[in-house]
Amino acid sequence: QSALTQPPSVSGSPGQSVTISCTGTSSDVGSNNRVSWYQQPPGTAPKLMIYEVSNRPSGVPDRFSGSKSGNTASLTISGLRAEDEADYYCSSHTSTSTYVFGIGTKVTVL
Amino acid sequence: EVQVVESGGGLVKPGGSLRLSCAASGFTFSSYDMYWVRQAPGKGLEWVSSISSDSTYIFYADSVKGRFSISRDNARNSLYLQMNSLRAEDTAVFYCARSSGHLGSFDIWGQGTMVTVSS
Repeated sequence: QSALTQPPSVSGSPGQSVTISCTGTSSDVGSNNRVSWYQQPPGTAPKLMIYEVSNRPSGVPDRFSGSKSGNTASLTISGLRAEDEADYYCSSHTSTSTYVFGIGTKVTVL
Repeated sequence: EVQVVESGGGLVKPGGSLRLSCAASGFTFSSYDMYWVRQAPGKGLEWVSSISSDSTYIFYADSVKGRFSISRDNARNSLYLQMNSLRAEDTAVFYCARSSGHLGSFDIWGQGTMVTVSS
């Protein structure tokens, strides 16, 4: 149950786009479409941003989008805004019915 | 309002035990799979355990298998985590989370309860 690989940090200026990658294996990310993404501002609980690779829950802006290719999933934030500054985690259901999270990526808005 | 509220955290000595509770409200608790996720200070999220809506299916992370036990009482709208043989590395904020209804994602999270394992 090794954590999924994410870049420790990404940054961008307001209005720009940033993409966070999430790399796993054929036993987790590559085995199904049950990849989700969570946003966690400092001192708060995580918030679901994307489920099943590319679907947004009600209330999540369409600036957030997800995709997947093979063992790597990605989250793109378009039109970056100051309030997007937070830690972001990917998660995947695995072939053994467990879950694994990514190590987390800190998004900084310059 | 749909919410889950954790309780039961605290300071415990290595080797000790603690029972966490999660009170659910605002939704039909018995219809949802539930989860425990933890976050060590300054670290990332770690899935701990899952339980299906009717308690038929239960899963644990390797790091807690044999020491932690998840359960639920649908009549009381409550989720539990019995933690035994606690270690320093179990120190974390423990979150209760609800399945979004789409397998693999958690849409309702509590504010978390802090568990500190230290002598």
